[in-house]
Amino acid sequence: KNQVEQSPQSLIILEGKNCTLQCNYTVSPFSNLRWYKQDTGRGPVSLTIMTFSENTKSNGRYTATLDADTKQSSLHITASQLSDSASYICVVSAQYSGGGADGLTFGKGTHLIIQP
Amino acid sequence: GAVVSQHPSWVICKSGTSVKIECRSLDFQATTMFWYRQFPKQSLMLMATSNEGSKATYEQGVEKDKFLINHASLTLSTLTVTSAHPEDSSFYICSARPLGQGINYGYTFGSGTRLTVV
Repeated sequence: KNQVEQSPQSLIILEGKNCTLQCNYTVSPFSNLRWYKQDTGRGPVSLTIMTFSENTKSNGRYTATLDADTKQSSLHITASQLSDSASYICVVSAQYSGGGADGLTFGKGTHLIIQP
Repeated sequence: GAVVSQHPSWVICKSGTSVKIECRSLDFQATTMFWYRQFPKQSLMLMATSNEGSKATYEQGVEKDKFLINHASLTLSTLTVTSAHPEDSSFYICSARPLGQGINYGYTFGSGTRLTVV
């Protein structure tokens, strides 16, 4: 069964500090991995997307890494800001075989709180 | 960039009534749109895949007669919650992928609709 596990479930850090969120998956056959930021009461917004051949991708202060061998990904946030408070969702896509959804498996997310 | 507009952003309805939620791709066409449901502090759960010009594909356990999906054009999909009950109260989100883009292209999500049934 395809699964995506994220840790920690929640995290509180002080403004200006760095943090790293983890994502482990068992999705097969793997196609790509995406990180989304979801503010409370809003839809998810894409941060990064990585395919099998990519092991790192940055988007401003967000840097995602991917180890396809160990099936792990991380999202590193540098110099956190109050606006980074949100849920961060890891989504892994299996190779599309046609019909229905595109084989997305969602993690439950990490709830990040930045304190001043 | 690709923008998906979802309307309304929140709605309160009486038990037994129906509610329609719209999902529009504003600057691109999408043959396929997806409808999700999200409970507090939970992940998004796929409800159905909306296909333009054909019947939607529902996930196991989702009542197709209760959650009516219509995808009449390449830019609009609607989800109608029929005979709503308090247990239908949830956050509903749609997403879409531009026509012609492969699965490695990022999905764009709508801003979500908070449905409260009283």
